Amino acid sequence: QQQVKQSPQSLIVQKGGISIINCAYENTAFDYFPWYQQFPGKGPALLIAIRPDVSEKKEGRFTISFNKSAKQFSLHIMDSQPGDSATYFCAAMKMAGRRALTFGSGTRLQVQP
Amino acid sequence: ETGVTQSPTHLIKTRGQQVTLRCSSQSGHNTVSWYQQALGQGPQFIFQYYREEENGRGNFPPRFSGLQFPNYSSELNVNALELDDSALYLCASSRDRSSNSPLHFGNGTRLTVT
Repeated sequence: QQQVKQSPQSLIVQKGGISIINCAYENTAFDYFPWYQQFPGKGPALLIAIRPDVSEKKEGRFTISFNKSAKQFSLHIMDSQPGDSATYFCAAMKMAGRRALTFGSGTRLQVQP
Repeated sequence: ETGVTQSPTHLIKTRGQQVTLRCSSQSGHNTVSWYQQALGQGPQFIFQYYREEENGRGNFPPRFSGLQFPNYSSELNVNALELDDSALYLCASSRDRSSNSPLHFGNGTRLTVT
């Protein structure tokens, strides 16, 4: 059962452009929504996370937009750079209890110079 | 402050064999989780250990088992290996189980089962 659906599978953006990755979740008990960045041969690294009591969170060039009623959230990367080329995963978790992350299937981002 | 370290980095095993993967949590972290990441997929939760006890388990069979030691390092054991067990196995640690304690992942162990 895929509880977090992520799109697109792959994305090509020109340097300086905006990269947008979308996720939708099913379990309304989820109350923590992080985004992870993964480079080849490395483990996922936390980029930014949001709780459902806010609709947007910004950290540098990275912004999460959250729509609780639609059960959707997205990652926006402003002024995309070639160094941002990586695979991005959205995830969701219920903070109480076992705190297990449910990941999306990933988006492979390529930023062209 | 050292991060999460995993060993070995790569491993090749034959179907039916057993394997043990190891993880040293980040300094000050007492909670360890294990994830399986198949090629081209997102990580899937296997189980979590908190203060040496299993604290939750994902949809994995009993042949996947684990341990956490008093120094909070951890092992993942997989018995009767199957071809589908080929994946990147990730360990993640956190300071505790509170809401403000993010997960820090290691770089994983790449397991190939032939």
